[in-house]
Amino acid sequence: AAGVIQSPRHLIKEKRETATLKCYPIPRHDTVYWYQQGPGQDPQFLISFYEKMQSDKGSIPDRFSAQQFSDYHSELNMSSLELGDSALYFCASIGSGNTEAFFGQGTRLTVV
Amino acid sequence: AQKITQTQPGMFVQEKEAVTLDCTYDTSDQSYGLFWYKQPSSGEMIFLIYQGSYDEQNATEGRYSLNFQKARKSANLVISASQLGDSAMYFCAMSRSMNRDDKIIFGKGTRLHILP
Repeated sequence: AAGVIQSPRHLIKEKRETATLKCYPIPRHDTVYWYQQGPGQDPQFLISFYEKMQSDKGSIPDRFSAQQFSDYHSELNMSSLELGDSALYFCASIGSGNTEAFFGQGTRLTVV
Repeated sequence: AQKITQTQPGMFVQEKEAVTLDCTYDTSDQSYGLFWYKQPSSGEMIFLIYQGSYDEQNATEGRYSLNFQKARKSANLVISASQLGDSAMYFCAMSRSMNRDDKIIFGKGTRLHILP
C-alpha cells in the first residue's frame, strides 16, 4: 500500500540558508500534519492543513511557512536556518473516516 | 489542555516475555483518540494501534493490544511475546477529538530494550 512520502530524506544546509521539505500524503488523504523532533525529544507539532487550508498552528517559528497544494502534497519552507533547526521533520496524513495517522519516514535536516 | 504522560523512560524485557508500556492522559474532552507509535533507531514513526474514546472494546492489532481504562485515563500498550525487533522508542499520543483536523500530541516516550 502507498505510504506517506517525504523528500528529501536527508538534507544538510548552512546557517542562514533556506530549505524546502516536501510531503506527499497517502492518496485520497486530505489532512497533513508537520512535526519537528529534536534529538532525544518527542515530536512537536508545527502546523496542519485540511483540504488545503491551514487548520492548526503549533510552535512553528515565523521563519517557517507551509502550504498544501491542490494535489494535497505539502511543503514546509524554512528560511534563515539556525543550528537549532537541526532535527527530524515528519509529516503525517489522515483521510476521510480514517482514524489512523500515518507518518512519513521523515526528513533529517542538519544545519551546519 | 491535553497532556500525555509516559512514566517509564526505559524498560528492559527478556525476549518472548509480554511487556506493558504505561500511558496516562489528561483531557476534559469527551471525544478523543489515542495512538501508539513505534520509532526504531532508523527514525521512522510507525503507527501501531488506535483507540477511540467511545470504543467499548480494547483495540488489538496482531501482537499489540491497547488496555484502555477510561475512568483511570490510561491507555497502556501491551506487546505479547516480545521479539528483538521490538527494541525501539514507543510514543503514546492523543488527538483532542476524533476529527482528522485536530493535531496529535505526544508523550515523552519509552525506550524499550528486548534482551536475548
